[in-house]
Amino acid sequence: KAGVTQTPRYLIKTRGQQVTLSCSPISGHRSVSWYQQTPGQGLQFLFEYFSETQRNKGNFPGRFSGRQFSNSRSEMNVSTLELGDSALYLCASSTSGLAERGEQYFGPGTRLTVT
Amino acid sequence: AQKITQTQPGMFVQEKEAVTLDCTYDTSDQSYGLFWYKQPSSGEMIFLIYQGSYDEQNATEGRYSLNFQKARKSANLVISASQLGDSAMYFCAMREGSWAAGNKLTFGGGTRVLVKP
Repeated sequence: KAGVTQTPRYLIKTRGQQVTLSCSPISGHRSVSWYQQTPGQGLQFLFEYFSETQRNKGNFPGRFSGRQFSNSRSEMNVSTLELGDSALYLCASSTSGLAERGEQYFGPGTRLTVT
Repeated sequence: AQKITQTQPGMFVQEKEAVTLDCTYDTSDQSYGLFWYKQPSSGEMIFLIYQGSYDEQNATEGRYSLNFQKARKSANLVISASQLGDSAMYFCAMREGSWAAGNKLTFGGGTRVLVKP
């Protein structure tokens, strides 16, 4: 099975711009989660989508949003970029059901640099 | 309070020796899951091992084992027979609630392991 894919792998944006990141989960996985990783804050949960519905949301401002499509692919959007949004954005997919461990499988990440 | 605490920011280990990475957690949920991930310098997070709160036996996956002490809220990772390829950051993570509550993971700060030949 193909793993989780994320595009693009690298992005450079300017303050005030917006950006859209894409994630394709492992085939059959219906849960997609997004995480932000920075040296200062570590790994922080952004949100999770399951069957096109946001199931969990982390403590991030409304500039961070996401969605999931019927084929389970997910996108996250960051509007009005700030310098502090520079980070590695990781997407993870998981099965989700009774008796499942629910381990998440991560993609390679998108490294976003805001200048 | 920190939900996941990894007190060892970095450690060296000799090749072929075992190493224990510490992780303590804090939750009031009865149902939760504990995970360990490895992050090499390439950046990708690799799932290593899982322990459920109701599991009575410690989890093992190849050279990885989890020393689960529920009363102490501790979930230490043991890597046996270290290899050079084990050099990486290691993260402990927790999912609170059952699978139905969703897949939000809370991560610790990580431990950097460097295996010496």
